[in-house]
Amino acid sequence: QVHLVQSGAEVKKPGSSVKVSCKASGGTFSIYAISWVRQAPGRGLEWMGGIIPVFGTANYAQRFQGRVTITTDESTSTAYMELSSLRSEDTAVYYCGRTRESYTYGYVNFWGQGTLVSVSS
Amino acid sequence: DIVMTQSPDSLAVSLGERATINCKSSQSVLNNSNNKNYLTWYQQKPGQPPKLLIYWASTRESGVPDRFSGSGSGTDFTLTISSLQAEDVAVYYCQQHYSPQTFGQGTKVEMK
Repeated sequence: QVHLVQSGAEVKKPGSSVKVSCKASGGTFSIYAISWVRQAPGRGLEWMGGIIPVFGTANYAQRFQGRVTITTDESTSTAYMELSSLRSEDTAVYYCGRTRESYTYGYVNFWGQGTLVSVSS
Repeated sequence: DIVMTQSPDSLAVSLGERATINCKSSQSVLNNSNNKNYLTWYQQKPGQPPKLLIYWASTRESGVPDRFSGSGSGTDFTLTISSLQAEDVAVYYCQQHYSPQTFGQGTKVEMK
């Protein structure tokens, strides 16, 4: 069974950056896409981007291009999402998720527990 | 980006009654090379990550009760809960992963 464990809650100042980790256990890490999805308080789900570790190149939602960087460390089966130039509107719970089907983006059936990032001066 | 629009934003349904949620995409999410609709339905309860319900528009995830069903193709999709149970109170999202990925705004299902 696949298990995703995310790093803990963060409190950040506007203009700074945050890096959230997502460590996978169970199953093969490199061939399944990891997506990052966020949810602002009381709001809907928003796909930020994703990566298939073996391919190495991340795909990003247009509105986050230039501000988000998604990477992986295959040696530790960990994915990272770094968001820069933080503003108050980035306050949200950030989720990582893994697809079931290999070598393709698609539906996510394994999710991390979520990481709350709060941005406040 | 492909825009996903769900309707209604919320609905209240009596126990045992049918709930129907619609999802419309701004362009087709049907991949003609494999005849699959790149459309997924998730259920989310407060404080929890989303839960996979339906993928490829109509394939029910293992363990999901058969009162949940998905239908549609191209740009118009529907999630149906045939007989609403108390545990189905949640927010439901459609998502396309055709190009690249976007979610609908969500539909809140409540008990009447």
